[in-house]
Amino acid sequence: DSGVTQTPKHLITATGQRVTLRCSPRSGDLSVYWYQQSLDQGLQFLIQYYNGEERAKGNILERFSAQQFPDLHSELNLSSLELGDSALYFCASSSIRDRVGEQYFGPGTRLTVT
Amino acid sequence: ILNVEQSPQSLHVQEGDSTNFTCSFPSSNFYALHWYRWETAKSPEALFVMTLNGDEKKKGRISATLNTKEGYSYLYIKGSQPEDSATYLCAPRVSYGGATNKLIFGTGTLLAVQP
Repeated sequence: DSGVTQTPKHLITATGQRVTLRCSPRSGDLSVYWYQQSLDQGLQFLIQYYNGEERAKGNILERFSAQQFPDLHSELNLSSLELGDSALYFCASSSIRDRVGEQYFGPGTRLTVT
Repeated sequence: ILNVEQSPQSLHVQEGDSTNFTCSFPSSNFYALHWYRWETAKSPEALFVMTLNGDEKKKGRISATLNTKEGYSYLYIKGSQPEDSATYLCAPRVSYGGATNKLIFGTGTLLAVQP
């Protein structure tokens, strides 16, 4: 158990809908990262937040947005969902005290868009 | 776009065989190289982080080496066991304008160890 929690574990929704994925980092970790893993693709970095501020952005679509709250939990919002958004979404966290920046992954949320 | 290549894509070995995989990455903007082990239905689990050229890390039967000048890392598993079956991911960490925690994942090497 990495200490990173994600909810829900599974989500099934229809095209055009909007969903919110939630992540709670390890206790004390200020950085949160979101990744997407689609079929036949590696883990794709979406976005990073550090202590409430956006720190780095990857291949995140405009239909997707994220935020990190004062209690450090983060939410990834996916809107106008398309079939191709079906994927496994991981959240990871890291500590500023960890010089090498090791990232610890949550169990993931499997999103199925029908 | 940073291209991370892992080979082979998959590997089937017998219990007791030793095996190795390769991770290739562009050496510019390099900060660190992470290896993760990802079992089916679980989340990726950190194995090693290496930062210096020539680094070698070992954890039980698994070891890794790093060559930052030529942009590659090897992962070795000695005497593979069925419980080693997993996808092994490498992820260089790159530095872009001060953001040094961005991991770029390869597609992984899927290892299946037959008893």
